Amino acid sequence: DVKVTQSSRYLVKRTGEKVFLECVQDMDHENMFWYRQDPGLGLRLIYFSYDVKMKEKGDIPEGYSVSREKKERFSLILESASTNQTSMYLCASSQYNYGYTFGSGTRLTVV
Amino acid sequence: AQSVTQPDIHITVSEGASLELRCNYSYGATPYLFWYVQSPGQGLQLLLKYFSGDTLVQGIKGFEAEFKRSQSSFNLRKPSVHWSDAAEYYCVITSNDDYKLSFGAGTTVTVRA
Repeated sequence: DVKVTQSSRYLVKRTGEKVFLECVQDMDHENMFWYRQDPGLGLRLIYFSYDVKMKEKGDIPEGYSVSREKKERFSLILESASTNQTSMYLCASSQYNYGYTFGSGTRLTVV
Repeated sequence: AQSVTQPDIHITVSEGASLELRCNYSYGATPYLFWYVQSPGQGLQLLLKYFSGDTLVQGIKGFEAEFKRSQSSFNLRKPSVHWSDAAEYYCVITSNDDYKLSFGAGTTVTVRA
């Protein structure tokens, strides 16, 4: 089975800090995604990547950036964390659009 | 742009009763549709998916869904719910020329004894 591993389950950061959320997949998938999950809003796409060093903005990219230097790793960066970025962050990977595997999520609290 | 709507925010059902969760989609071509479940504190798990072919799709945990193009719907059903089915359910859409998933807002299912 494909595994998508998010490095932290819970994070607490201060306003203004630069925050890195890491995601690693082990099945050589081309595509990787970052979503945030908020009650009543479902999951919203922040960024996705379809190849190494390639990235595209999703629906809510403001305040975020990403990095994909290696195929298996996709990092989400909060340049200057704000309280409205307190959320659950989910990473996913897929090969084409046939099967998507999600990580367990990182619950980020910005204080 | 593709999108899905889950009209029911919260559904309460008795254990052993049937369950139906509604999903309506908006997309000009043939969509790829999924149902995912998320139990409290857990990650997302795929219940079933529809790409083409038979419009009645069987999934895991006794769930099934029916694709109805004329109604732009992909409703999820289970004949008899178990207490462990209490969770958040998401209807999700993508297409054959897109890698991105678009999620509905989710339906919370509560199961009462």
